[in-house]
Amino acid sequence: GGIITQTPKFLIGQEGQKLTLKCQQNFNHDTMYWYRQDSGKGLRLIYYSITENDLQKGDLSEGYDASREKKSSFSLTVTSAQKNEMAVFLCASSIRWGRGAETLYFGSGTRLTVL
Amino acid sequence: GQQVKQSSPSLTVQEGGISILNCDYENDMFDYFAWYKKYPDNSPTLLISVRSNVDKREDGRLTVFLNKSGKHFSLHITASQPEDTAVYLCAAGANYQLIWGSGTKLIIKP
Repeated sequence: GGIITQTPKFLIGQEGQKLTLKCQQNFNHDTMYWYRQDSGKGLRLIYYSITENDLQKGDLSEGYDASREKKSSFSLTVTSAQKNEMAVFLCASSIRWGRGAETLYFGSGTRLTVL
Repeated sequence: GQQVKQSSPSLTVQEGGISILNCDYENDMFDYFAWYKKYPDNSPTLLISVRSNVDKREDGRLTVFLNKSGKHFSLHITASQPEDTAVYLCAAGANYQLIWGSGTKLIIKP
């Protein structure tokens, strides 16, 4: 089995601050994702990376940057945190897409609060 | 449209009964449909998924029904048990991009 580790578990920032969330997986999966979860809403895709050195924007990419430093790690940066922004950011990985390889394995999340 | 909707925020079912969870989608290009289960303070885990070339898939007590013309898929859980109590998330998509419903909280009453 494998595990996805997200750090930090809780992140408190100030308005306008640049904040970075980190994700590591030891599944040896090709594809990694960042999702945002707001209360009462479905998960929304921010960025994904099909393989190492790839970066793709999701529907919610504005205000975020991402970096796939190596196959096992995928970081998300909030470029300028917005006041009253509260959400849980979930990192996930999958083998790839297609032929049953799309199963997502999620980390435990980073809960962001902006003061 | 890209939306995926779970119209029922919650559902209560008697133990031993059949739980039916529903999901509607808008984009007829979606070719992958999945149900994930989420316990409180845990991350979602995959329960069952289907591709658009099948109408039905069974796995133990779980069955997914896909109605492509109606842009609707559902999860049936037979012999529902208290440990089935959780939030169920549906997701649909294509090519790495999944669109998620907001979840249905299923409560199984003993």
